[in-house]
Amino acid sequence: KAGVTQTPRYLIKTRGQQVTLSCSPISGHRSVSWYQQTPGQGLQFLFEYFSETQRNKGNFPGRFSGRQFSNSRSEMNVSTLELGDSALYLCASSFRTSGASSYNEQFFGPGTRLTVL
Amino acid sequence: GQQLNQSPQSMFIQEGEDVSMNCTSSSIFNTWLWYKQDPGEGPVLLIALYKAGELTSNGRLTAQFGITRKDSFLNISASIPSDVGIYFCAGQGGTGTASKLTFGTGTRLQVTL
Repeated sequence: KAGVTQTPRYLIKTRGQQVTLSCSPISGHRSVSWYQQTPGQGLQFLFEYFSETQRNKGNFPGRFSGRQFSNSRSEMNVSTLELGDSALYLCASSFRTSGASSYNEQFFGPGTRLTVL
Repeated sequence: GQQLNQSPQSMFIQEGEDVSMNCTSSSIFNTWLWYKQDPGEGPVLLIALYKAGELTSNGRLTAQFGITRKDSFLNISASIPSDVGIYFCAGQGGTGTASKLTFGTGTRLQVTL
């Protein structure tokens, strides 16, 4: 089974521009989450989508948005880029494990490295 | 944003030594997870713990879910060079939080021959 794929892998933008990142989850996974990873703040949750609906949102400004399509693929958009938006953006797809102690096991993609100049 | 307190921040050890790292939180989690991240890659799940007090092993890895549900530790026995990487703890689950993971600050592990 193919893993989570993210495109592009690397991106360079300038301040004020906007960017769209794409994530294709593992086949059969319906939940997609996005995380931002920076040296200063570590891994921070952005948002989660399930069946085309945003199910949970982290503490990020409105410049960060996302969506999910009917095939579970997801995109995230950052508008009016700032220098501090430079980060590794990780996408994770998940399914819920079975059993009494079920939880949402998440599988991460390799990330998109965004550099804002 | 919230980050779990993870220690140590970095470790330099010799091949064959055992490693221990831990993670604490001010919040309760229903599930504790340990991930490893290699350069240029996303985190990979090592161990998942979903019962307070639970001790779980995966090969040379052993992890425990604290009885208060606010802490966890990870042990790696007989370290080898491929253990090099950054290890993250993560807490999951709470009212209305669905899949959201709250990550620790990370432990960078270096193994020397």
